[in-house]
Amino acid sequence: AQKITQTQPGMFVQEKEAVTLDCTYDTSDPSYGLFWYKQPSSGEMIFLIYQGSYDQQNATEGRYSLNFQKARKSANLVISASQLGDSAMYFCAMREVDGNKLVFGAGTILRVKS
Amino acid sequence: GAVVSQHPSWVICKSGTSVKIECRSLDFQATTMFWYRQFPKQSLMLMATSNEGSKATYEQGVEKDKFLINHASLTLSTLTVTSAHPEDSSFYICSAGAGTSGRAYNEQFFGPGTRLTVL
Repeated sequence: AQKITQTQPGMFVQEKEAVTLDCTYDTSDPSYGLFWYKQPSSGEMIFLIYQGSYDQQNATEGRYSLNFQKARKSANLVISASQLGDSAMYFCAMREVDGNKLVFGAGTILRVKS
Repeated sequence: GAVVSQHPSWVICKSGTSVKIECRSLDFQATTMFWYRQFPKQSLMLMATSNEGSKATYEQGVEKDKFLINHASLTLSTLTVTSAHPEDSSFYICSAGAGTSGRAYNEQFFGPGTRLTVL
């Protein structure tokens, strides 16, 4: 069964607008971590934001925020005030405590238009 | 944040040759390193988990005799693609874990990747 689902293969957003990238996950483990990574065309994986399953508040890192809805098992990434440099592939990933592996979603390609 | 390097950043080789890719944690010790493979416009697929001083744990479907992984020290893991063929052409990325609790325990720090092209 797929553990991380990103249903948006590609997204467009106008510069300076906000965009939400969807991510749902599946786990029976009560303790887990959720990550978002950005991968520009250069290929490097850039860590954006982390949410622990027991964290009471939604994570925020600058222009990035994570809309964590535990009951719905969703962890959407919100990018505010989009910039041209935000154009990249974005991956949602999950790590379960029992395993030490990161499981990645299929990714969403984001294109920011000027 | 912690820095992970990979060498080489890209390599072109002839079919049948072997290629070694190095992954180093530069400012921390990594007991566990991970090797991923990524095809264009696709997600990262975990190939194996490399533990210092022990044999690597390979994911289902990954040929351990073809993709040799060695984790000889707390800062270095190597992936050797043996007898490479054109279908092995891909982007190979390593990552390393650094922390012992909380987000640091969960987080993996990624190398910049190695692009392998087999002719």
